[in-house]
Amino acid sequence: QVQLVQSGAEVKKPGASVKVSCKASGYTFTNYAIHWVRQAPGQRLEWMGWINAGNDNTKYSQKFQDRVTITRDTSASTAYMELSSLRSQDTAVYYCARDVCSGTSCNHFDNWGLGTLVTVSS
Amino acid sequence: DIQMTQSPSSLSASVGDRVTITCRASQGISSWLAWYQQKPEKAPKSLIYAASTLHSGVPSRFSGSGSGTEFTLTISSLQPEDFGTYYCQQYNFYPLSFGGGTMVEIK
Repeated sequence: QVQLVQSGAEVKKPGASVKVSCKASGYTFTNYAIHWVRQAPGQRLEWMGWINAGNDNTKYSQKFQDRVTITRDTSASTAYMELSSLRSQDTAVYYCARDVCSGTSCNHFDNWGLGTLVTVSS
Repeated sequence: DIQMTQSPSSLSASVGDRVTITCRASQGISSWLAWYQQKPEKAPKSLIYAASTLHSGVPSRFSGSGSGTEFTLTISSLQPEDFGTYYCQQYNFYPLSFGGGTMVEIK
């Protein structure tokens, strides 16, 4: 079955960067896009961007365009989300989610990782 | 950016009740709408896409309808396991965006 296993919780200081991983299994990794969505405490879900795991194309939300980088390692079936210049407002649970469509991005999701808590605190 | 507004923000209902959640988009999104269920401290679960198509394995008591700017998620007969927060998401325009959520409590 499809599984997305994310890396563990992180605590970072303001101004630092964080890199979260999402290891996929149970399907052909390069056939689907992976999205990153975050949820700050008590807030709604917020989409950050996606990567086409097959051709390495990316699309980012303008809100995060200057600070986020999504990459993938096909040999490890793993996607990564790196967020830089962290501030306290970036404290959130970060989820990876698989796009429902094979070969393209349909921009909605069928399988989700369990989330990675990133805490930004001095 | 497309703003998604859900109502109510929370509700409490009894097992067997019919429950309806509304999601409104700030501009027309055709039928490019998905619904998710999230339980406390858990990842969201995908329920519906294209406004009315159930994901595989989702119970038939869940249904979705609507197009344009107004959508509904209906649970025809609420079950104890249906507690949680429900989110709508539009995927017609970037940035993809979610509603504020509707928390469903079982009385």
